[in-house]
Amino acid sequence: KAGVTQTPRYLIKTRGQQVTLSCSPISGHRSVSWYQQTPGQGLQFLFEYFSETQRNKGNFPGRFSGRQFSNSRSEMNVSTLELGDSALYLCASSFFTANNEQFFGPGTRLTVL
Amino acid sequence: AQKVTQAQTEISVVEKEDVTLDCVYETRDTTYYLFWYKQPPSGELVFLIRRNSFDEQNEISGRYSWNFQKSTSSFNFTITASQVVDSAVYFCALSEAKGDRDDKIIFGKGTRLHILP
Repeated sequence: KAGVTQTPRYLIKTRGQQVTLSCSPISGHRSVSWYQQTPGQGLQFLFEYFSETQRNKGNFPGRFSGRQFSNSRSEMNVSTLELGDSALYLCASSFFTANNEQFFGPGTRLTVL
Repeated sequence: AQKVTQAQTEISVVEKEDVTLDCVYETRDTTYYLFWYKQPPSGELVFLIRRNSFDEQNEISGRYSWNFQKSTSSFNFTITASQVVDSAVYFCALSEAKGDRDDKIIFGKGTRLHILP
């Protein structure tokens, strides 16, 4: 069974640009969650999607958004990038809810210059 | 408000020693979940255990064991006879299970564990 995949693995952008990250969950998993990991703030929950609907949202500004498609694949978008958005963005999938065992992808390392 | 505290930022032990990673949490809810995840140098987090607030039984899985004590709001993780492959960052996490849009998972800052050969 293939694991969670994230693309791209590395990304370099400049301030003000926007970026879209992609996550393909494990087959059969319907819940996809996104996290931001930085040395200073640690791991922070961004949002969770289930059946194409955002189910939960963390405390991030509206520049961070996401969506989920009918095949459970998910994308997250960050608009008007700031230097502080540089981070490892992790995607996790689970069968039903983020309160179950989550399987994490390798992450996308975003650097904002 | 939810909070997870992992007071040990970094721990180094010699291989085969036992080591305990501490986790203290705060929540106002009576129903919640606690988790431990491992993040090896490769970067991908690996689920280790989930415990719900109504189950205070300690758990043992091979060399790993977990001690959940609601009285002290702690969910500590012990590795017995540590091995070099246990070197990683370990995260404790809390999720309130209200079943509404406010459910979110809060992670501690993590404990970086070095197992020295």
